[in-house]
Amino acid sequence: GDSVTQTEGLVTVTEGLPVKLNCTYQTTYLTIAFFWYVQYLNEAPQVLLKSSTDNKRTEHQGFHATLHKSSSSFHLQKSSAQLSDSALYYCALSEASGGSNYKLTFGKGTLLTVTP
Amino acid sequence: EAAVTQSPRSKVAVTGGKVTLSCHQTNNHDYMYWYRQDTGHGLRLIHYSYVADSTEKGDIPDGYKASRPSQENFSLILELASLSQTAVYFCASSDRGRRAEQFFGPGTRLTVL
Repeated sequence: GDSVTQTEGLVTVTEGLPVKLNCTYQTTYLTIAFFWYVQYLNEAPQVLLKSSTDNKRTEHQGFHATLHKSSSSFHLQKSSAQLSDSALYYCALSEASGGSNYKLTFGKGTLLTVTP
Repeated sequence: EAAVTQSPRSKVAVTGGKVTLSCHQTNNHDYMYWYRQDTGHGLRLIHYSYVADSTEKGDIPDGYKASRPSQENFSLILELASLSQTAVYFCASSDRGRRAEQFFGPGTRLTVL
């Protein structure tokens, strides 16, 4: 089946510095949709970004990501990290599970900690 | 008002006992999902459903059953709870289509002793 690989484990960055969380994928389908989910402490995951257009930059809440099908990547970036960005981040791929049904495949998550 | 709710929010169960986790959504979504979250494994799909009275196996269905009696309700059933099923369980709902984002409930923390 399809798979999503993220920067694993913990990423620590100093407030005000740029941050990049890597996400690559393997899929057998040509048409796909990608998501970044963010989960704050003791909360539910929620969508941060989504994209299905190759080479188009998507932005939200200061974060941005560009789907590059040529390199099978959908990295998440921010130019200046804030303390409030500390959270668990998931990259996810929407794939067909048969007929017109779709399900998400999540990466294992990256815990981002922003320090003063 | 929360669109996906779960009950209970926390539960302690004994090994071998039966556990039922419930999920209710008011999004009018066709799709509903059950995930478990474990450190180092992320979110893994257990069961999902795209129509009432029908469920599908996800990536890790062993040891779990699911029930979708109506569009709004989706339950996860552990017939014989085991220590390895200690985790946080999330329910989610989504509209149809590959671009549809999933909306998650607040989660249920299950501890099996």
